[in-house]
Amino acid sequence: DIQMTQSPSSLSASVGGRVIITCRASQSITSYLNWYQQKPGKAPKLLIYGTSNLQTGVPSRLSGRGSGTDFTLTISSLQPEDFATYYCQQSFSTPWTFGQGTKVESK
Amino acid sequence: EVQLVESGGGLVKPGGSLRLSCAASGFPFSKAWMSWVRQAPGKGLEWVGRIKSKTDGGTIDYAAPVKDRFSISRDDSKNILYLQMNSLKTEDTAVYYCTLDGYIESWFFHVWGRGTLVSVSS
Repeated sequence: DIQMTQSPSSLSASVGGRVIITCRASQSITSYLNWYQQKPGKAPKLLIYGTSNLQTGVPSRLSGRGSGTDFTLTISSLQPEDFATYYCQQSFSTPWTFGQGTKVESK
Repeated sequence: EVQLVESGGGLVKPGGSLRLSCAASGFPFSKAWMSWVRQAPGKGLEWVGRIKSKTDGGTIDYAAPVKDRFSISRDDSKNILYLQMNSLKTEDTAVYYCTLDGYIESWFFHVWGRGTLVSVSS
């Protein structure tokens, strides 16, 4: 199985600040990497698919990049609605696996 | 509007069984690939399994922890996805989400239901 490791597990940031979350795969997954956002008590929501493609309606302050084993999710200017937990997920091969999550909290 | 509504969760004893349903609307269900994803209390997300559309072969894949105990099926005439869970263990306690899977350059969990809570406890 492909292991996905996110870092950090949590971070504190201020509104307007820049946030970078890293996701590393245990083997190459080419560009089969997706990002989700989850708020407490809610279902996850797709943000980015195929490493860098923004889902419809997702603001452009979010961006994704990477290839092979190393990927990042960047929020260029953190907004109040961005405080949440973020998960990466690989769909290169089954079992599809998620990172452990990164909780973004208010500083 | 695409909508997924799970039902069937509840409290069950270890070793027991439960069947979850996911009612789908707003898209051509028979053509869709669908998955179940679960989340234990306070934990991360775990893919449970996926069923392809019948036109794509109807293949079903499962995660190792549930293989041989869980079974995914679909009724395309009713637009319902099922998850039959047998021999339940305490570690199966989780919110279970059904998802509509999408593909553009990568497979992804496109739309999620609100989830249904399964609690396995004596």
